[in-house]
Amino acid sequence: DAKTTQPTSMDCAEGRAANLPCNHSTISGNEYVYWYRQIHSQGPQYIIHGLKNNETNEMASLIITEDRKSSTLILPHATLRDTAVYYCIVRNSGGGADGLTFGKGTHLIIQP
Amino acid sequence: DTGVSQDPRHKITKRGQNVTFRCDPISEHNRLYWYRQTLGQGPEFLTYFQNEAQLEKSRLLSDRFSAERPKGSFSTLEIQRTEQGDSAMYLCASSPGGGVAAEAFFGQGTRLTVV
Repeated sequence: DAKTTQPTSMDCAEGRAANLPCNHSTISGNEYVYWYRQIHSQGPQYIIHGLKNNETNEMASLIITEDRKSSTLILPHATLRDTAVYYCIVRNSGGGADGLTFGKGTHLIIQP
Repeated sequence: DTGVSQDPRHKITKRGQNVTFRCDPISEHNRLYWYRQTLGQGPEFLTYFQNEAQLEKSRLLSDRFSAERPKGSFSTLEIQRTEQGDSAMYLCASSPGGGVAAEAFFGQGTRLTVV
């Protein structure tokens, strides 16, 4: 799986959009971009994933650049409960049995 | 609650003792994963089951670690002769099968402290 690079930490004001960047310059054509988050003392939680088109669900939006070398996770209206570590993961899509490769993620702190 | 369930939530053990953790995945999920997470790090993959078959093991899984999923439902992770370096959060996840990589659902983990 390709490696990802994320900022160590970010702050965002409550009610504003939180934009979390991720670089994955070595991504290959059949690799998806996944985002998970981990709230303190809980297991990771799936947020969203995509291949090359932008994706949106009830939690977030995922914007993938045309060359697929980077992506941005957008939380449109951040709340205090969104404070967590956010992991960007690149993973082969071919029904692969291998586990997810987590990095250190971005610690997002939502400020009141 | 129909999520992934792990038991116990916390375990304190003396160095050299054996410990066993249990994971109950979401019903009908045929894939089950074990991860380990130490303080300040992301989870690290340990092993994976497709139904009852253990298909992959990480280099992190030393000979003291063994995992089973006897009937393709719940799974156990045993650590023999625990060491202080085994202190960590042990996370279990499950996902449905299928050709496209599916999202994994994680339990809340078992926090192991070896003293």
